[in-house]
Amino acid sequence: AQSVTQPDIHITVSEGASLELRCNYSYGATPYLFWYVQSPGQGLQLLLKYFSGDTLVQGIKGFEAEFKRSQSSFNLRKPSVHWSDAAEYFCAVGDVVGYGGATNKLIFGTGTLLAVQP
Amino acid sequence: NAGVTQTPKFRVLKTGQSMTLLCAQDMNHEYMYWYRQDPGMGLRLIHYSVGEGTTAKGEVPDGYNVSRLKKQNFLLGLESAAPSQTSVYFCASSRQGVGTEAFFGQGTRLTVV
Repeated sequence: AQSVTQPDIHITVSEGASLELRCNYSYGATPYLFWYVQSPGQGLQLLLKYFSGDTLVQGIKGFEAEFKRSQSSFNLRKPSVHWSDAAEYFCAVGDVVGYGGATNKLIFGTGTLLAVQP
Repeated sequence: NAGVTQTPKFRVLKTGQSMTLLCAQDMNHEYMYWYRQDPGMGLRLIHYSVGEGTTAKGEVPDGYNVSRLKKQNFLLGLESAAPSQTSVYFCASSRQGVGTEAFFGQGTRLTVV
């Protein structure tokens, strides 16, 4: 079955330090991969996505992620964290189901809560 | 640019009561979804719709019903609320097509006592 694993429940980094959030997926075909961010009391906002092509994808707010098929990973990175990056981060894989094969369902990991120390 | 709007934002129900959560999107998206978010479990799909008049079950559909009578609206109903349905509910929408971005509402925090 398709699944997404985020092994780190909670991470604390110092402001200005680099960040890497881990994501591993289990999916039979070429995956559609996403990273979303959720600020407290808010909905989810898309940071970046990978469908095909270049395995290093750039997103908003200075984030990037690298797709590594051999490791079934899609880790999120940022070279220098800002206090405003404190939030919960979700990795997701798009699942192709039913109705004409269009990707219409997201399978989410359990999330990583990021705290930023001054 | 409203995007995806959920109504209400907060609600407390007594066990056995019923209620309907409303989701409205103004982006002319074909696909709409209802997720629930519980601590340590991420988001799980309840029901989804691939177009007006269609609905389908997701991972955790029991105890919920949905309707998509108009393209812009997706309603989630709880006929007889249970404490296990205490959760934060998110609606999302996306264009028809492979791998398109899902846009999320701000969530409805529901407590069943």
